[in-house]
Amino acid sequence: ETGVTQTPRHLVMGMTNKKSLKCEQHLGHNAMYWYKQSAKKPLELMFVYNFKEQTENNSVPSRFSPECPNSSHLFLHLHTLQPEDSALYLCASSQDGGDSNQPQHFGDGTRLSIL
Amino acid sequence: AQSVTQPDIHITVSEGASLELRCNYSYGATPYLFWYVQSPGQGLQLLLKYFSGDTLVQGIKGFEAEFKRSQSSFNLRKPSVHWSDAAEYFCAVGPFSGGYNKLIFGAGTRLAVHP
Repeated sequence: ETGVTQTPRHLVMGMTNKKSLKCEQHLGHNAMYWYKQSAKKPLELMFVYNFKEQTENNSVPSRFSPECPNSSHLFLHLHTLQPEDSALYLCASSQDGGDSNQPQHFGDGTRLSIL
Repeated sequence: AQSVTQPDIHITVSEGASLELRCNYSYGATPYLFWYVQSPGQGLQLLLKYFSGDTLVQGIKGFEAEFKRSQSSFNLRKPSVHWSDAAEYFCAVGPFSGGYNKLIFGAGTRLAVHP
């Protein structure tokens, strides 16, 4: 039980499809994050939400659209993706996104493949 | 610019041997430092963290790390490696301007353990 649950674990989609990734945390945290992990590249921070407000958009293309309806749930809506978007997408949470003293807890990720 | 370097992409050790994984960082002040481990098909798990105080920190699974300010390093060590330690290890640093909990990760070191 990691405390951070991501669904689906695997997703294959065409470039014209629309799909969503879901993340749920059961830790009572207030900050949630999306990361992209590509082969042979460092983990890239995509978005940060703190108390449901987006505090960071790391120059992510608009084909990725995050949504944070409450502090426990985070979504990543996907549309018209490109082959280079194939990667492992990791969700994380921490107690408070405004306090760097708080370690981040990660989910197991969604493996996304774009055909 | 802030950065994290893990010089070793792959390391292979024999079971029972000692281990040291290197991490060097570039940061304008004393950073917060983290080591995470990622097993295949899973997310990142926090091994240990350094915020202040004693420069030798103990973590889970028998790991420890030493912060050396003069060398800008935070190397991870384990005196005796077990086969279950085979995984990818990531060093990370934070915080950054604005105080938000934004981590920068190294590219990772993949550890293989020979029986």
